[in-house]
Amino acid sequence: EVQLVESGGGLVQPGGSLRLSCAASGFTFSSYWMHWVRQAPGKGLVWVSRINSDGSNTIYADSVKGRFTISRDNAKNTLYLQMNSLRAEDTAVYYCARDIVVRGVRWIDPWGQGTLVTVSS
Amino acid sequence: SYELTQPPSVSVSPGQTASITCSGDKLGDKYTCWYQQKPGQSPVLVIYQDTKRPSGIPERFSGSNSGNTATLTISATQATDEADFYCQAWDSSTVVFGGGTKLTVL
Repeated sequence: EVQLVESGGGLVQPGGSLRLSCAASGFTFSSYWMHWVRQAPGKGLVWVSRINSDGSNTIYADSVKGRFTISRDNAKNTLYLQMNSLRAEDTAVYYCARDIVVRGVRWIDPWGQGTLVTVSS
Repeated sequence: SYELTQPPSVSVSPGQTASITCSGDKLGDKYTCWYQQKPGQSPVLVIYQDTKRPSGIPERFSGSNSGNTATLTISATQATDEADFYCQAWDSSTVVFGGGTKLTVL
């Protein structure tokens, strides 16, 4: 069974840092692109970042560019999101999710259960 | 930046057909996915590549995409279908989500 389990969320002060992890199992992690997507309380889904299968290519939403870093350790089957200079508006549930591509067509499936990040003093 | 627009809410009676739209510039030139999110749960893929259903998703769920609008259609809607639905597309290597539509089954 494909599983994605996020961890590392919690309460952090504005300006602080946090590193999220996403442990993958049930599939060949090193073969897939991965995403982070967030959802502020009561709000919609917002894409944050994506990393390719070997970690050599990353892309970010403008709202987090320069503050967040996505990375992966394929030997540990783990995806990371390093979040620095956190702001109140970064408060959200953060989901990791797998990217699937077949003959050039992409979709995102499955999603982890999410981890809550709260930025507050 | 590319934007996808969904109606905030759609209501449907049990057993009837619900349609949720997603609009974006030349959206029909892109592939669209749909995700269902029930309260307190993670999103679940219900449609990919405009019209395809993942295994385990009921045939009641179908999708279409043409021109500037993609549509998720749920036929014979059940109370258990009540959820938030999000459309998603790709634009210049980034992922774009619609704002979400709350489906209420009255």
